[in-house]
Amino acid sequence: SQKIEQNSEALNIQEGKTATLTCNYTNYSPAYLQWYRQDPGRGPVFLLLIRENEKEKRKERLKVTFDTTLKQSLFHITASQPADSATYLCALDQAGTALIFGKGTTLSVSS
Amino acid sequence: DAGITQSPRHKVTETGTPVTLRCHQTENHRYMYWYRQDPGHGLRLIHYSYGVKDTDKGEVSDGYSVSRSKTEDFLLTLESATSSQTSVYFCAISEGGGTSHNSPLHFGNGTRLTVT
Repeated sequence: SQKIEQNSEALNIQEGKTATLTCNYTNYSPAYLQWYRQDPGRGPVFLLLIRENEKEKRKERLKVTFDTTLKQSLFHITASQPADSATYLCALDQAGTALIFGKGTTLSVSS
Repeated sequence: DAGITQSPRHKVTETGTPVTLRCHQTENHRYMYWYRQDPGHGLRLIHYSYGVKDTDKGEVSDGYSVSRSKTEDFLLTLESATSSQTSVYFCAISEGGGTSHNSPLHFGNGTRLTVT
């Protein structure tokens, strides 16, 4: 069966460290993978999109990698800040029709 | 924020009653989506629309219907609400007017529905 798994439900790190979140998938062959941030009581907000032929994408302190052989994406936040505390969702396309989301990882950055 | 508004923001209803949730966009995007979000399940696609009067089912469409008579409005109807439909419902639109897989989604802030 098809599955998207985000490595853990919760991740706690100290301010200034790099947070690394993992998204693994099985029985999908996505052409694109996206990452979203969700704050409590709000809808998800798009962060980054990476294509299957791109190994890495960066935006400010964010970096995403996409390994189609391992069927895995890594999402990094460098120099993390308490304001980065949120739930992060990975999503990938299914048959080119709609996005399928992982359950998310809740990141807490302590000062 | 992308121009996307969901109404109502909160609703409490009784089992067996019909409920309609509204999503309104001002971006003129072709694609619109309804997701529900539940603890332990994450976001799951209910229905989506790829144009006026063009809709298709998602992963959890049973018990739901949708309509899109205008580009800007996408309605989600629970024909006869059940307690299992208690959830937070999110509407989303595709930026750039393309299909979602290569375009980011813009989400509304959700409707919290409680069925008692």
